[in-house]
Amino acid sequence: KNEVEQSPQNLTAQEGEFITINCSYSVGISALHWLQQHPGGGIVSLFMLSSGKKKHGRLIATINIQEKHSSLHITASHPRDSAVYICAGPLNYGGSQGNLIFGKGTKLSVKP
Amino acid sequence: DTGVSQDPRHKITKRGQNVTFRCDPISEHNRLYWYRQTLGQGPEFLTYFQNEAQLEKSRLLSDRFSAERPKGSFSTLEIQRTEQGDSAMYLCASSGLGEQYFGPGTRLTVT
Repeated sequence: KNEVEQSPQNLTAQEGEFITINCSYSVGISALHWLQQHPGGGIVSLFMLSSGKKKHGRLIATINIQEKHSSLHITASHPRDSAVYICAGPLNYGGSQGNLIFGKGTKLSVKP
Repeated sequence: DTGVSQDPRHKITKRGQNVTFRCDPISEHNRLYWYRQTLGQGPEFLTYFQNEAQLEKSRLLSDRFSAERPKGSFSTLEIQRTEQGDSAMYLCASSGLGEQYFGPGTRLTVT
């Protein structure tokens, strides 16, 4: 069983819609990453957060450490947001950084 | 610094051949990670270096795989006697004390 679970696995939205992707984890992680992967494979780090909420442009990430749950929201979605979104957490090897374990990703497709 | 770079970006090889990939991390980063991603899956951890020391290896890293970071800067990942199951995207990431920055990956196809 994957220790980082994402939902949904696939998501199709119309341009302009508000999008939410969820991530739940069962392992002890110190922080959570949201990553974006476009076709071709390159991964871009969107957020790393250990509490509360972070916002960057139209992207908002929230995390509840006690409930072991995080969400990624995209406001006013656009076709260029189409990508795979992956959540990942560093295993807590007694420090703030460790090897990441990843969810399987959510494939988002935004239609014009 | 333009970020983490990987070379080559694509590699096609025949089963049984050896391949070597290179990763150049962000220069001030002392931590370097290798991950593998198969189609439709999230990446999986392979190994981790802090400076030149290899501190952690996944059980996914069979004895056909070896990784080095001889001077604590660039790293190489070698796969000996490649198998079709080794076909995947091999991702490198580096970090200081914060978040990890990923390279573009090397896509390996074993025919």
